[in-house]
Amino acid sequence: GAVVSQHPSWVICKSGTSVKIECRSLDFQATTMFWYRQFPKQSLMLMATSNEGSKATYEQGVEKDKFLINHASLTLSTLTVTSAHPEDSSFYICSAPAGGTGNEQFFGPGTRLTVL
Amino acid sequence: GENVEQHPSTLSVQEGDSAVIKCTYSDSASNYFPWYKQELGKRPQLIIDIRSNVGEKKDQRIAVTLNKTAKHFSLHITETQPEDSAVYFCAASIGGGFKTIFGAGTRLFVKA
Repeated sequence: GAVVSQHPSWVICKSGTSVKIECRSLDFQATTMFWYRQFPKQSLMLMATSNEGSKATYEQGVEKDKFLINHASLTLSTLTVTSAHPEDSSFYICSAPAGGTGNEQFFGPGTRLTVL
Repeated sequence: GENVEQHPSTLSVQEGDSAVIKCTYSDSASNYFPWYKQELGKRPQLIIDIRSNVGEKKDQRIAVTLNKTAKHFSLHITETQPEDSAVYFCAASIGGGFKTIFGAGTRLFVKA
């Protein structure tokens, strides 16, 4: 089946620093990827749609200047949390549809971000 | 945009009993409805999905029903086992290249 990887799996950083999270589709190409944030005991909240070769589409209430998304190739999307603060601490998960007319989304394993 | 509501938030059943989780969606254009099981700290795992041209789908102990008119869909788990204990999410999307919106989740406890 289709495989999506994320790196790093966890990261701890100091307040005010920036953190980059990578999402890769390993065995398929993804012109679209999605980024979600999940706080403890809550649902997955869609942050943005990452589009290869064009600007990301952000959901209402998500600051585009704080959460920078780059989708430079058909297999890689990156999410950079800029000037991170403790309230940005969360589980970040990406997903990608595995092409064709299939609907199924394949999820990465997630990245646990802790901002001190 | 799409809004998905899910009930109940917590469900506790005895081993062997059935569990039912219900969801509603708002966007009539949605045509794909997956259900995910998520264990603590892990990625969501697809357990079953249904498309809008189908009213019911079954896979062993798991079944999903869809009522397009009412915009309702439900997950049924029969003969529950302790390993079914997890958080379950329903979701809705328009298609594979379109965003998936999740329900709030149901924490299922199966007591041995």
